[in-house]
Amino acid sequence: EVQVLESGGGLVQPGGSLRLSCTASGFIFSNDAMSWVRQAPGKGLGWVSIISGNGRSTNYADSVKGRFTISRDNSKNTLYLQMNSLRDEDTAVYYCAHGADNRFNYWGQGTLVTVSS
Amino acid sequence: EIVMTQSPATLSVSPGERATLSCRASQSVGNNLAWYQQKPGQAPRLLIYGASTRATGIPARFTGSGSGTEFTLTISSLQSEDFAVYYCQQYNNWPLTFGGGTKVEIK
Repeated sequence: EVQVLESGGGLVQPGGSLRLSCTASGFIFSNDAMSWVRQAPGKGLGWVSIISGNGRSTNYADSVKGRFTISRDNSKNTLYLQMNSLRDEDTAVYYCAHGADNRFNYWGQGTLVTVSS
Repeated sequence: EIVMTQSPATLSVSPGERATLSCRASQSVGNNLAWYQQKPGQAPRLLIYGASTRATGIPARFTGSGSGTEFTLTISSLQSEDFAVYYCQQYNNWPLTFGGGTKVEIK
């Protein structure tokens, strides 16, 4: 059974930083791309970033490019999202998603990031 | 960026009736289109990929169709557990983009 679990969310001031983590099991982690998708309160879904299975290829939404960095540690079956220069509009639930073929087959339950002073 | 437009925003349907949801892409995405279901307080769940292929464990009452720019998700006979928000997503071009969602509510 595939399981995905996010952690690291919380309250942070504008301009601050936060690192999200996501541990996965039930599939060969290093074989597959992984993504972060976010959802602002009461809003729809927005793709944030994706990383290839070997970690060599990444892609970002324009809204986070230069501020967020996606990475992974395949020895720990863990995905990360380093978020810097956070803005009010980054407030959202952040989901980790198994992203094979650039669609999202399995999702975690999400971790809430609140950017507020 | 490919803009995905879903209609209607809200669909009121009685249990047992058919629901038809639409998704339009601002340019062709081939058949690289997925549908997701999201219930309140839960993560989204993949229903359909490749425009028409049901994901593992998805009941046959969910049918996806279309290609290019016009796509449809049909739920043949709505069950109580199907009342939720449905999103389409294109994965043909970067950035990956979602539609704004259709809420299927009980009539």
